[in-house]
Amino acid sequence: DAGVIQSPRHEVTEMGQEVTLRCKPISGHDYLFWYRQTMMRGLELLIYFNNNVPIDDSGMPEDRFSAKMPNASFSTLKIQPSEPRDSAVYFCASSLEMSSPLHFGNGTRLTVT
Amino acid sequence: GNSVTQMEGPVTLSEEAFLTINCTYTATGYPSLFWYVQYPGEGLQLLLKATKADDKGSNKGFEATYRKETTSFHLEKGSVQVSDSAVYFCALSRSGGGADGLTFGKGTHLIIQP
Repeated sequence: DAGVIQSPRHEVTEMGQEVTLRCKPISGHDYLFWYRQTMMRGLELLIYFNNNVPIDDSGMPEDRFSAKMPNASFSTLKIQPSEPRDSAVYFCASSLEMSSPLHFGNGTRLTVT
Repeated sequence: GNSVTQMEGPVTLSEEAFLTINCTYTATGYPSLFWYVQYPGEGLQLLLKATKADDKGSNKGFEATYRKETTSFHLEKGSVQVSDSAVYFCALSRSGGGADGLTFGKGTHLIIQP
């Protein structure tokens, strides 16, 4: 079991640029989550999918953020255009079913200058 | 709405000391409660959980008891080790595992000195 795989581990970009974060969930897991972690706000749920369908995106901060899950083994979180306040660690997590614990990836540290 | 409050850190202890990290919650209904641990440069890992009142979750020497009367889920360990140094997150979920999205506390940074 390779675990949840995120890429890149670190991303440094300039304000206004597009950023795409990638996630490969654990094979067979039906749920996929995107979280953002900052010192000020802690861990925030941005969006989650069930069987590739977005279920709750109420945590997505604004229209600059979008997430997709084109198939069961891949998801992206895109920020366009990026802003310095988007700097954070972004985590992807997956779970097997409704009552299963979450498995987190190692995160992507995003810095927007 | 749901919320989790945990003691602010950092908490610094000597090896073999007794550990308590306080966690209280606000939620409607009967949530499941969790402790997750995050080691440097890694994602969160489930440490233990409890799904109903008076349940005790335990793992790796850590314990926490679901106290509905005090809406608490304090984390304890009798004798900490340097390797326990990490950030600990208390969390709750309306479902058993978190598939509706976990609500996390802000985390408590634990530092264990040899």
